[in-house]
Amino acid sequence: QQQVKQSPQSLIVQKGGIPIINCAYENTAFDYFPWYQQFPGKGPALLIAIRPDVSEKKEGRFTISFNKSAKQFSLHIMDSQPGDSATYFCAASTGNQFYFGTGTSLTVIP
Amino acid sequence: DSGVTQTPKHLITATGQRVTLRCSPRSGDLSVYWYQQSLDQGLQFLIQYYNGEERAKGNILERFSAQQFPDLHSELNLSSLELGDSALYFCASSVASGYEQYFGPGTRLTVT
Repeated sequence: QQQVKQSPQSLIVQKGGIPIINCAYENTAFDYFPWYQQFPGKGPALLIAIRPDVSEKKEGRFTISFNKSAKQFSLHIMDSQPGDSATYFCAASTGNQFYFGTGTSLTVIP
Repeated sequence: DSGVTQTPKHLITATGQRVTLRCSPRSGDLSVYWYQQSLDQGLQFLIQYYNGEERAKGNILERFSAQQFPDLHSELNLSSLELGDSALYFCASSVASGYEQYFGPGTRLTVT
């Protein structure tokens, strides 16, 4: 059973667009929700993370929106650039176990 | 560069064999996590160690085992290898449980 459901599987946007990646979870015990960026041949790199006591967090061009009641969270990438083309994973954690979404392959067209 | 190192980078072996993957966490990090990433299964959490003790188990097969040594480096042992074990294996480390994880570059295992 997939603990974290991520969509879409792939996404293509024009440079400057705002891609949005969504994740949903069921386990209310999750208390940490990070997003990772992975380039081909590399390990995932922590991008931004949020705890359930806030509804939004921004770091540079990356924003997490968190809806605790709906058990959903999403990643927005402002003014997307070709260099943002990568696979993005959401995750949820209880503090010990981490559960990752299935990933979204983002392509930003120049 | 995350500060997490993994060796070897690539490993090619035959079915039925046993291999050991090694991970050195970032300086100061006490927790080590192991993940398997395959095309059809995504990123699967295998096991976590904290300061030498097993802390959490995920989808780790009985043929796989891990340990964390007093110097905090960790090894993942994979035995009786099958073709389906071919994957990228990542190690990640964090200061403590529930904190940000930093991933190593991975070991690509190919079982032939």
